Amino acid sequence: GQQVMQIPQYQHVQEGEDFTTYCNSSTTLSNIQWYKQRPGGHPVFLIQLVKSGEVKKQKRLTFQFGEAKKNSSLHITATQTTDVGTYFCAGPVQGAQKLVFGQGTRLTINP
Amino acid sequence: DAGVTQSPTHLIKTRGQQVTLRCSPISGHKSVSWYQQVLGQGPQFIFQYYEKEERGRGNFPDRFSARQFPNYSSELNVNALLLGDSALYLCASSLLRQSNQPQHFGDGTRLSIL
Repeated sequence: GQQVMQIPQYQHVQEGEDFTTYCNSSTTLSNIQWYKQRPGGHPVFLIQLVKSGEVKKQKRLTFQFGEAKKNSSLHITATQTTDVGTYFCAGPVQGAQKLVFGQGTRLTINP
Repeated sequence: DAGVTQSPTHLIKTRGQQVTLRCSPISGHKSVSWYQQVLGQGPQFIFQYYEKEERGRGNFPDRFSARQFPNYSSELNVNALLLGDSALYLCASSLLRQSNQPQHFGDGTRLSIL
């Protein structure tokens, strides 16, 4: 079945350093969504990318969707302690009403 | 406006028992999806319901069932509980049924099986 993989699984950075997580799908995606889950919390929708090669920014966060629509990345510039959490990408299964989530990248930050 | 609400927040059961989890979507949202999240993993899709009908099903055994009510709230039932069913069960609502809709998650029900 369709798989969505994320790397790295864990990332520990010093506050102020940059952070990037990568997402790869085994199939072409019609869109990709990104979510953030704080420790002890629930996933919160961040953004959706639809177009090939699309780049979107939210303050210090930059999201990219690959040209082949099979990969995506999230880059955080100058991390802050509020960025701590697990970042998930998710893509829809073709022909089915469901989302497949990656296993997430857990970000921890040393203040 | 209230977000997605789930009850109970925590539940402890023993093997072989049955459990019912409840979810109320955001007002106006007609689609409800259920996910299972095991510690350290991403949410795994279980069901989607839209307009009271099942619209999607994940790779879960028949011990898992769900339904949606006329007010769009939903219940997830799990029978013959196994130790491996211990997880955070998340409910998510969206405005429409399409899988390109952003999912709005509740706080979840943490189920522990002893």
